[in-house]
Amino acid sequence: DTGVSQDPRHKITKRGQNVTFRCDPISEHNRLYWYRQTLGQGPEFLTYFQNEAQLEKSRLLSDRFSAERPKGSFSTLEIQRTEQGDSAMYLCASSLATGGNEQYFGPGTRLTVT
Amino acid sequence: QKEVEQNSGPLSVPEGAIASLNCTYSDRGSQSFFWYRQYSGKSPELIMFIYSNGDKEDGRFTAQLNKASQYVSLLIRDSQPSDSATYLCAVSHASGGSYIPTFGRGTSLIVHP
Repeated sequence: DTGVSQDPRHKITKRGQNVTFRCDPISEHNRLYWYRQTLGQGPEFLTYFQNEAQLEKSRLLSDRFSAERPKGSFSTLEIQRTEQGDSAMYLCASSLATGGNEQYFGPGTRLTVT
Repeated sequence: QKEVEQNSGPLSVPEGAIASLNCTYSDRGSQSFFWYRQYSGKSPELIMFIYSNGDKEDGRFTAQLNKASQYVSLLIRDSQPSDSATYLCAVSHASGGSYIPTFGRGTSLIVHP
């Protein structure tokens, strides 16, 4: 049983460029979450999917952010026209829809916008 | 606004002591409670979860939940330097509500030899 994987692990981009991150959840998990974390803060919710349906998106999320989970398996998070304030760790987590919703995190993608 | 409050620390304890980490939450409908350990530069790792009032023990870790007081704690017995990390508390609904966990800012724990 493999855990949650994320790719790339690190991304350095220039302001204004688009970036896309990928997350592969634990295989039997049907819920998938995206979070952003900055230094000294807890993970901040961005969006989540149950199977292929995007069920909730943070009200704080800019329309430059979009996420997909086309076949209910892996997911992508795209940030368009990146800004320096987007620099953060982007975390993906997955869970089962049954039980207590225990979430398991991937290693994260560290984004630096220069 | 759902809130989860943790003392940011650092909490410093000597090796072998019991470390006690505390968390309070505002949403009375919360049903699931989680503790994550996060080493510097790494992602959170789930170490404990608890759903019912009382204590739950797993090895050196004990989670304690008091829903009436809206309080959850994590005890780490026989603390080791390798336990030095930030501990994140998270709470969520398990059914009939939002499944989105709310995280605290974390408590930094330092275990010194």
